[in-house]
Amino acid sequence: DAEITQSPRHKITETGRQVTLACHQTWNHNNMFWYRQDLGHGLRLIHYSYGVQDTNKGEVSDGYSVSRSNTEDLPLTLESAASSQTSVYFCASSEGVPYNEQFFGPGTRLTVL
Amino acid sequence: ELKVEQNPLFLSMQEGKNYTIYCNYSTTSDRLYWYRQDPGKSLESLFVLLSNGAVKQEGRLMASLDTKARLSTLHITAAVHDLSATYFCAPRHSGAGSYQLTFGKGTKLSVIP
Repeated sequence: DAEITQSPRHKITETGRQVTLACHQTWNHNNMFWYRQDLGHGLRLIHYSYGVQDTNKGEVSDGYSVSRSNTEDLPLTLESAASSQTSVYFCASSEGVPYNEQFFGPGTRLTVL
Repeated sequence: ELKVEQNPLFLSMQEGKNYTIYCNYSTTSDRLYWYRQDPGKSLESLFVLLSNGAVKQEGRLMASLDTKARLSTLHITAAVHDLSATYFCAPRHSGAGSYQLTFGKGTKLSVIP
């Protein structure tokens, strides 16, 4: 069955370190998204991609970057982790047309000390 | 900028009762999605509302969309404990080729026996 996976599921890191969160989908979807979820804020879009070599900034992109070298993967990098980036991160993918329904990965809980 | 307001944010209801969750959004959108999230889990797609007047039902949940009023509702009929979860609405950004969603802050539903 097609799926979307994230790794690691939990990570603790220190302020200033570079961290990369992986997202891998086997739906063959062109569209992929990264969100963060914080209490009181719901889900906020960090970055998104509509295909290989395409990346775009979302609402809360400062301090994050992504790259898309193939259809299946969209890794999220925190260049220099900050305590404000402690959050739960969700990756999602969608087929675009006709329904554009986004399917979510299991999430990564990141703690920055 | 698309803004989404859900209300109520917290809802405690007795089993067997009916209630409606409201989702208002600020700019034109042609489709809207409802998701469910159980504590500590990922988001699960509930409904995809693709056009004005769309109505979808699944069990005790019914969702509707009024694009002219920029309003979607999620109606709960005869609530049961298993419906306890957080529910998110997410309208799609307008514009050709846009697959972004903006999520509301979520409605945390607790169904009390």
